[in-house]
Amino acid sequence: GAVVSQHPSWVICKSGTSVKIECRSLDFQATTMFWYRQFPKQSLMLMATSNEGSKATYEQGVEKDKFLINHASLTLSTLTVTSAHPEDSSFYICSASMQGGGYTFGSGTRLTVV
Amino acid sequence: RKEVEQDPGPFNVPEGATVAFNCTYSNSASQSFFWYRQDCRKEPKLLMSVYSSGNEDGRFTAQLNRASQYISLLIRDSKLSDSATYLCVVNRNSGYALNFGKGTSLLVTP
Repeated sequence: GAVVSQHPSWVICKSGTSVKIECRSLDFQATTMFWYRQFPKQSLMLMATSNEGSKATYEQGVEKDKFLINHASLTLSTLTVTSAHPEDSSFYICSASMQGGGYTFGSGTRLTVV
Repeated sequence: RKEVEQDPGPFNVPEGATVAFNCTYSNSASQSFFWYRQDCRKEPKLLMSVYSSGNEDGRFTAQLNRASQYISLLIRDSKLSDSATYLCVVNRNSGYALNFGKGTSLLVTP
């Protein structure tokens, strides 16, 4: 089946640094990638939708200059959390839509900013 | 009103019990409905899609009532391995992104 490989699985970084999260589609072309985050005891919330070769569409309240999304190829989408702060600590997860209507998820990245 | 609402539980049931989860959604234009399972803050895994006619997959039965904007999941003969958080998921009416409920926590005990 279609697989999205997400790295890193977890990361601890100092406040003020930037963190890049990668999602690679291994056996299919991901035209659209969705980026979600999940705070403890909360639902997954859509942050942005990225389409290959175009600018990402951000949800209301998500700072596009802070959460940089790059989807330069059909097999790679990246999310960079710039100048991370403790309140950015969360579980970040990518998801690609599939032909036929299904979705496949990366394994998620647990970010802790100290 | 939240896009997708679920009873967070937790539901603590003994092995072999039948348990039902409910979910309501606010966007009447939604076309795709799913139940996902999430373990220990790992990625969600598709349990089953939900169709208007209702559908069954082994011990799991899902129902959809479009008029009431209501989705249900029934688990029969609960197993210890069913312990997880069950997410009600509905697609948006544009862009194909998903709206997730907070999830219902299930703990099946021996």
